[in-house]
Amino acid sequence: GQNIDQPTEMTATEGAIVQINCTYQTSGFNGLFWYQQHAGEAPTFLSYNVLDGLEEKGRFSSFLSRSKGYSYLLLKELQMKDSASYLCAVADSNYQLIWGAGTKLIIKP
Amino acid sequence: ETGVTQTPRHLVMGMTNKKSLKCEQHLGHNAMYWYKQSAKKPLELMFVYSLEERVENNSVPSRFSPECPNSSHLFLHLHTLQPEDSALYLCASSQSSESSYNEQFFGPGTRLTVL
Repeated sequence: GQNIDQPTEMTATEGAIVQINCTYQTSGFNGLFWYQQHAGEAPTFLSYNVLDGLEEKGRFSSFLSRSKGYSYLLLKELQMKDSASYLCAVADSNYQLIWGAGTKLIIKP
Repeated sequence: ETGVTQTPRHLVMGMTNKKSLKCEQHLGHNAMYWYKQSAKKPLELMFVYSLEERVENNSVPSRFSPECPNSSHLFLHLHTLQPEDSALYLCASSQSSESSYNEQFFGPGTRLTVL
């Protein structure tokens, strides 16, 4: 079967750095996405990785290792507005997104 | 209007009611999706439409009936639902349903409660 695993909840301090991990087992791989979802709102796109390595975009970076079926999202200089759920999704062999259950990130002052 | 819009935002219905959810995308995309989001569960893909043709139906019960009259509009018709169908229903669109880079843009969702 297809499976995406990520921690249910994480807590971090304002101004700090947090890493959210995602491991996957899917039938085929056509890229990995990270989305951010604030409570009561739509998921919004953060990053896309299809090749191994690190993609940096401002305070957010995303890493992929296809051989390990592993990705992480790194958030630096955390701000209160970063409190949200972070969803990991993998595009399978049919290009359909398989989603993780999301990691709820709580930022404390 | 910009992006992806959904109406209504909230819906409460009885098990014998018939209602419809509406989604509209203003992005010129060719693919549209319905997802179900339940608390602490992964997003469940329900239906995929590409150029108004259904290309995916992930074993969704027949009490959910999608309709895509054109590439900008998507409906989800609901009838004789069960309480376990209560969830957030999200609509999304993307440029294509068959490409590696398939960034999906989501609407705000309809919070459905079935009594």
